[in-house]
Amino acid sequence: GAGVSQSPRYKVAKRGQDVALRCDPISGHVSLFWYQQALGQGPEFLTYFQNEAQLDKSGLPSDRFFAERPEGSVSTLKIQRTQQEDSAVYLCASSTGPRLYGYTFGSGTRLTVV
Amino acid sequence: TQLLEQSPQFLSIQEGENLTVYCNSSSVFSSLQWYRQEPGEGPVLLVTVVTGGEVKKLKRLTFQFGDARKDSSLHITAAQPGDTGLYLCAGVRNAGNMLTFGGGTRLMVKP
Repeated sequence: GAGVSQSPRYKVAKRGQDVALRCDPISGHVSLFWYQQALGQGPEFLTYFQNEAQLDKSGLPSDRFFAERPEGSVSTLKIQRTQQEDSAVYLCASSTGPRLYGYTFGSGTRLTVV
Repeated sequence: TQLLEQSPQFLSIQEGENLTVYCNSSSVFSSLQWYRQEPGEGPVLLVTVVTGGEVKKLKRLTFQFGDARKDSSLHITAAQPGDTGLYLCAGVRNAGNMLTFGGGTRLMVKP
């Protein structure tokens, strides 16, 4: 597609519920990134894929967070047993070369845990 | 403590005024980028600088990368209400691919 597509745009989850957030990157973009953004703050790194390989997951806040990109295109970020502190905007970005070309971000998924 | 510190955090100015936003770190970056984010949307890339001392201009916006590649500034001339948004600096360290973001500067330009 022309841009990075994320779904759903908004998700309300009851505490303890599992959620799955989807990211469809720009076709041909090898690198895919997930970030978490709290209200009024800068994005915080969660995890990074190059094709289907997860090269860095150091930013995942707990073992309740899991990400995959099985065929090197679409990625899913899964959060198990959601907690209130998981409420945030989850941003997905893709790139052909972050150092020179930067990221193209999706519009994000706003997760609210009640 | 964030790796990239932005200042000021908030800025409210009148249309036509000039402003400068700063992005500072004690670390060296191989690339420094500026993004603008509007409510409900993802950040959008404005510019990438990779050479120490580099200056880039984008219409009324001027971006500078520090000589030591540890800091950057964004200067806006004659600000307009359409410049309102969250400005984020972000850096790539060494040979990595991951961007580290600053905390952002929220700019409001009043007509």
